[in-house]
Amino acid sequence: GQQVMQIPQYQHVQEGEDFTTYCNSSTTLSNIQWYKQRPGGHPVFLIQLVKSGEVKKQKRLTFQFGEAKKNSSLHITATQTTDVGTYFCAARVAGFQKLVFGTGTRLLVSP
Amino acid sequence: GAVVSQHPSRVICKSGTSVKIECRSLDFQATTMFWYRQFPKQSLMLMATSNEGSKATYEQGVEKDKFLINHASLTLSTLTVTSAHPEDSSFYICSARVGPDTGELFFGEGSRLTVL
Repeated sequence: GQQVMQIPQYQHVQEGEDFTTYCNSSTTLSNIQWYKQRPGGHPVFLIQLVKSGEVKKQKRLTFQFGEAKKNSSLHITATQTTDVGTYFCAARVAGFQKLVFGTGTRLLVSP
Repeated sequence: GAVVSQHPSRVICKSGTSVKIECRSLDFQATTMFWYRQFPKQSLMLMATSNEGSKATYEQGVEKDKFLINHASLTLSTLTVTSAHPEDSSFYICSARVGPDTGELFFGEGSRLTVL
């Protein structure tokens, strides 16, 4: 079945440092979504990317979809303690409604 | 955004009993809901796709008779863990889309099941 891997699994940064998580798929994706899950909480939708090479920004967050539509990245500039959580990419399986989640990257930010 | 409510948020039960978890879409109708399972510090694993008025579609390796899913109305899907055992202890989360073509999934708050 479709696999979506993320690296790193875990990252611990000092507040103010940048952070990037990478998402890689074994197959070409029609689109990619990103979610954030705070500790003890449920996933919350951040963004969806559809076009090859697409780049979208949300304040300090920059999302990119690879040219081959097999990978994606999320970059956070100048992290804050409120950025703590696990970031998941998710891919919609072609021909199905279901969403397959990546392995996730857990971010810890120290003040 | 759309609201998905899940109940109960926490449940502790004895081994061998059955537990029902409810997932409701509060301000929209959901013809399709998704049930995920999440172990500590791990990703969300899709268990099944719940379709209103028809049988659920289970993912490979998920026992249909173990995890009963019922989607009797456009706003309610239920997951029943039958004859629960300690290995069924996990975080169960439901989700839904507002429409068939919209991408975003709205998640319930999740239900943490502990089987003693």
